[in-house]
Amino acid sequence: DGGITQSPKYLFRKEGQNVTLSCEQNLNHDAMYWYRQDPGQGLRLIYYSQIVNDFQKGDIAEGYSVSREKKESFPLTVTSAQKNPTAFYLCASSNQDRGRDIQYFGAGTRLSVL
Amino acid sequence: GENVEQHPSTLSVQEGDSAVIKCTYSDSASNYFPWYKQELGKRPQLIIDIRSNVGEKKDQRIAVTLNKTAKHFSLHITETQPEDSAVYFCAASRNGGGADGLTFGKGTHLIIQP
Repeated sequence: DGGITQSPKYLFRKEGQNVTLSCEQNLNHDAMYWYRQDPGQGLRLIYYSQIVNDFQKGDIAEGYSVSREKKESFPLTVTSAQKNPTAFYLCASSNQDRGRDIQYFGAGTRLSVL
Repeated sequence: GENVEQHPSTLSVQEGDSAVIKCTYSDSASNYFPWYKQELGKRPQLIIDIRSNVGEKKDQRIAVTLNKTAKHFSLHITETQPEDSAVYFCAASRNGGGADGLTFGKGTHLIIQP
């Protein structure tokens, strides 16, 4: 299950605080993604990046920000503007191979509000 | 954007019986349809995928079928075993998922009864 590492495993946020979730991959993948998982809601795309220094908003980007300064790293910041941040956050990376795009997921970070 | 509907949300089958999970998608431009399995407390992992130029794909006890005209695709698991118990997610994407991430269904909790 190695290759893509998320930290921390558990994170608590206070009211009005920004918190940053870490995602690192050593798979040499170009594309990286952040998803939010809520019970009964599946996985929803927050942001994605196909290349260093470039990223795009997904379906639920409001209240989140990202950076992609290195190929290996794609941190997600949950800002105070995100009013309902309690969820399980999954990072993924992928490379296209003969028309297939297999996404490899990290183990996730569970964020709770104090 | 793309919308993926998945049914049922929970499926209980006797060990050894078959299980079928169905998904529909809205974007006729979608051309890549993976299925991910998430065991309790673990990260999602790809189990099978299909591209739009293929109608069916099999891998041992697992098969996926695609009907482009009706915009629906299904996962078939035969001879179910206890280790098949998990949450299964279907997904859809244009451009193999690399361009804009994956749109996931809300998941099906498959329960294998002994």
